[in-house]
Amino acid sequence: DIVMTQSPDSLAVSLGERATINCKSSQSVLYSSNNKNYLAWYQQKPGQPPKLLIYWASTRESGVPDRFSGSGSGTDFTLTISSLQAEDVAVYYCHRYYSTPYTFGQGTKLEIK
Amino acid sequence: QVQLQQSGPGLVKPSQTLSLTCAISGDSVSSNSATWNWIRQSPSRGLEWLARTYYRSRWYNDYAVSLRGRITNNPDTSKNQFSLQLRSVTPEDTAVYYCAGASTGAGYLDSWGQGTLVTVSS
Repeated sequence: DIVMTQSPDSLAVSLGERATINCKSSQSVLYSSNNKNYLAWYQQKPGQPPKLLIYWASTRESGVPDRFSGSGSGTDFTLTISSLQAEDVAVYYCHRYYSTPYTFGQGTKLEIK
Repeated sequence: QVQLQQSGPGLVKPSQTLSLTCAISGDSVSSNSATWNWIRQSPSRGLEWLARTYYRSRWYNDYAVSLRGRITNNPDTSKNQFSLQLRSVTPEDTAVYYCAGASTGAGYLDSWGQGTLVTVSS
């Protein structure tokens, strides 16, 4: 299976500051047939299912605040929260979805400093 | 907006069968664009994709290799739902189980059930 590795495992950021989470795939998720990166980001709060934030590596899901952005291509991706809000405390996961078996990163726990 | 409602027992005995159902509203299990998935989450394994079913003129099913032979994911068009069965469970199958949908079929999961904690214990 393709392995997704996130860094760091945990992160503490001050309110209003930038948070950056990285995700590295063991194989490229960029497919030449349509030039798209099959990479999504999810946010999970305690007791809740994951919530889709970003797909195609950089497309924000409807209703997701614009402080969330995704970037990267091929094997290296980044989720950025431009100005951390208290409600952003959560665990964040990357997800490769071109083909099954789908695989997820191990998660990055984001806290307030 | 798609909503998924899970149902099923939270406690299963070792060697028995885990059965969960996911009822869909706002879309159809027979949609020609959506796919319908099961994912589980445990501290030891994180998020683990288990199975997918979808309709493209006929039904297709994909399963995690590690579970092949023990798992089925069946659609029920009469009730607009899909169901997971995992046979011969062990304590290692203890996890929170989620159903999830990908409305465009591309694979990103844009709808999720509420989750069911399933404990395998005698």
